[in-house]
Amino acid sequence: EVQLVESGGGLVKPGGSLKLSCAASGFTFSDYYMYWVRQTPEKRLEWVATISDGGSYTYYPDSVKGRFTISRDNAKNNLYLQMSSLKSEDTAMYYCARSLARAMDYWGQGTSVTVSS
Amino acid sequence: DIQMNQSPSSLSASLGDTITITCHASQNINVWLSWYQQKPGNIPKLLIYKASNLHTGVPSRFSGSGSGTGFTLTISSLQPEDIATYYCQQGQSYPLTFGAGTKLELK
Repeated sequence: EVQLVESGGGLVKPGGSLKLSCAASGFTFSDYYMYWVRQTPEKRLEWVATISDGGSYTYYPDSVKGRFTISRDNAKNNLYLQMSSLKSEDTAMYYCARSLARAMDYWGQGTSVTVSS
Repeated sequence: DIQMNQSPSSLSASLGDTITITCHASQNINVWLSWYQQKPGNIPKLLIYKASNLHTGVPSRFSGSGSGTGFTLTISSLQPEDIATYYCQQGQSYPLTFGAGTKLELK
């Protein structure tokens, strides 16, 4: 059974940093591209980052480029999202998801990030 | 960026109805269109990928069609467990983008 379990969310002040983790199990993690996707309080879904199966390629929207870094440890079956210079508009539930044909076929339960002073 | 316009934003239907949700892309996305279902308090779940491919375990009353810029999600014989918000998402090019969602309610 595919399982994705996020952790690391919390309350952080504007300008602060946070590192999210996603523990993967039930599949060969190193075979898959992975995503981070967030859902805002208004329920809008936003793609945040993509990383290739080997970790060599990463992609970001302009809204987070230069502030967020996606990475992975295939030996530990873990996915990460390092977030810095956080803004109030980064407040959201953050999900990790597995890639299938440019879709997100399995999602974790999410970890909540609140950016507020 | 490719904009994804979903309609309607909300929909009221009766059990047993056939409902259709549409998604229009601002440019050609070939068949790189996915549909997700999110029930209240739950995570999004993949229903359809590559426009018309049913994800594992998804009931056959769900179907998807379209290519290029116009796509539809059809639910035949609406069931109580289908009450949810539905989102489309394009995978043609980065940045990946989602529609704003269609909230399906019971009449």
